[in-house]
Amino acid sequence: RKEVEQDPGPFNVPEGATVAFNCTYSNSASQSFFWYRQDCRKEPKLLMSVYSSGNEDGRFTAQLNRASQYISLLIRDSKLSDSATYLCVVTYTGGFKTIFGAGTRLFVKA
Amino acid sequence: DAEITQSPRHKITETGRQVTLACHQTWNHNNMFWYRQDLGHGLRLIHYSYGVQDTNKGEVSDGYSVSRSNTEDLPLTLESAASSQTSVYFCASSEYPNTGELFFGEGSRLTVL
Repeated sequence: RKEVEQDPGPFNVPEGATVAFNCTYSNSASQSFFWYRQDCRKEPKLLMSVYSSGNEDGRFTAQLNRASQYISLLIRDSKLSDSATYLCVVTYTGGFKTIFGAGTRLFVKA
Repeated sequence: DAEITQSPRHKITETGRQVTLACHQTWNHNNMFWYRQDLGHGLRLIHYSYGVQDTNKGEVSDGYSVSRSNTEDLPLTLESAASSQTSVYFCASSEYPNTGELFFGEGSRLTVL
């Protein structure tokens, strides 16, 4: 079992739709959580951190459920420009340990 | 503006040859990392460094080496390239050592024939 698992998708949604991605992690010693965005053939870029209380940044909402060991990303009012791969990232205590999920692909269509 | 640059962006080489991928950052970050990205695997850590003269192995370090002689650069060397090392390589840096907040270079696409 992978330490960080994501549904690879692809998710195909129309403009204006709401879409949600989940990510599960296996190690309960996880410390910090992030979502990254990666455009085709580009480098990953930090989208947002994920806090225990949940956090929102414009149309994006991130949630953390430590008991069930998953994090989620909700995108409201999807735009064509949201088309990308979304990477779930988990860090662990004790030395450098940052694990990337394989990513979920999103296609937003007009 | 601070940045992180990789070179070459594209490289084709033959099995058995030595290859070095360069990474240069102007963030003045102590922490630098090399990842490879392959379909279905996500980003996997090859080597990392917390500062000058410090290097550490990541989860897929076999066949790779790094050196850190200054803050700005962390070159990645493939001693004897193998076809299994065909991949996209990303260099990254961060302000803090144990964080998921990484700044990535644009990537180097390596093909080993």
